[in-house]
Amino acid sequence: GENVEQHPSTLSVQEGDSAVIKCTYSDSASNYFPWYKQELGKRPQLIIDIRSNVGEKKDQRIAVTLNKTAKHFSLHITETQPEDSAVYFCAAVPEGQFYFGTGTSLTVIP
Amino acid sequence: GAGVSQSPRYKVAKRGQDVALRCDPISGHVSLFWYQQALGQGPEFLTYFQNEAQLDKSGLPSDRFFAERPEGSVSTLKIQRTQQEDSAVYLCASSDGRQPQHFGDGTRLSIL
Repeated sequence: GENVEQHPSTLSVQEGDSAVIKCTYSDSASNYFPWYKQELGKRPQLIIDIRSNVGEKKDQRIAVTLNKTAKHFSLHITETQPEDSAVYFCAAVPEGQFYFGTGTSLTVIP
Repeated sequence: GAGVSQSPRYKVAKRGQDVALRCDPISGHVSLFWYQQALGQGPEFLTYFQNEAQLDKSGLPSDRFFAERPEGSVSTLKIQRTQQEDSAVYLCASSDGRQPQHFGDGTRLSIL
């Protein structure tokens, strides 16, 4: 089955700086890569996603890049704000089945 | 519109008791997923329904875990003879058959 690895497990940045979270996957059949933000005690919320026919996607301060050859994808958050503090999960999806990374706890220091 | 609703939000049970967790998906969503999320970990797949059909239950950790969706809408995850290692947050997600999935708030299960 698919194996998703996510790094780093924790990340602290100063407010206004950028944050980058990286994931690798193993199954070349994976064709959909969502990112979820989960605040403490709350549900995972989809923040951005990318499909395998696209290399990069942006939505305001958030962007995701995908390198299919190397089987890795990354989340980029620019101009970080304290409200960006949360746990972020990547996922790789082959044939409709979601495989999640272990999460990155992001802390934005005011 | 209403999102995915799960109940109860919190459940405390003694070891050996049976528990039932409910998921109300978004209306019209054909696909429903159950996940187990341990503290500090990502969600781990348990089982998947398309309408009333359980298409994949490969993630259920033991035969003590059972899920059903008899009418293709509400689903129930049942855990029999609970063990301490069953303590986790159980997340339900639904989709219209395509991505993305929309998650509920989860049920936090604590086994004493």
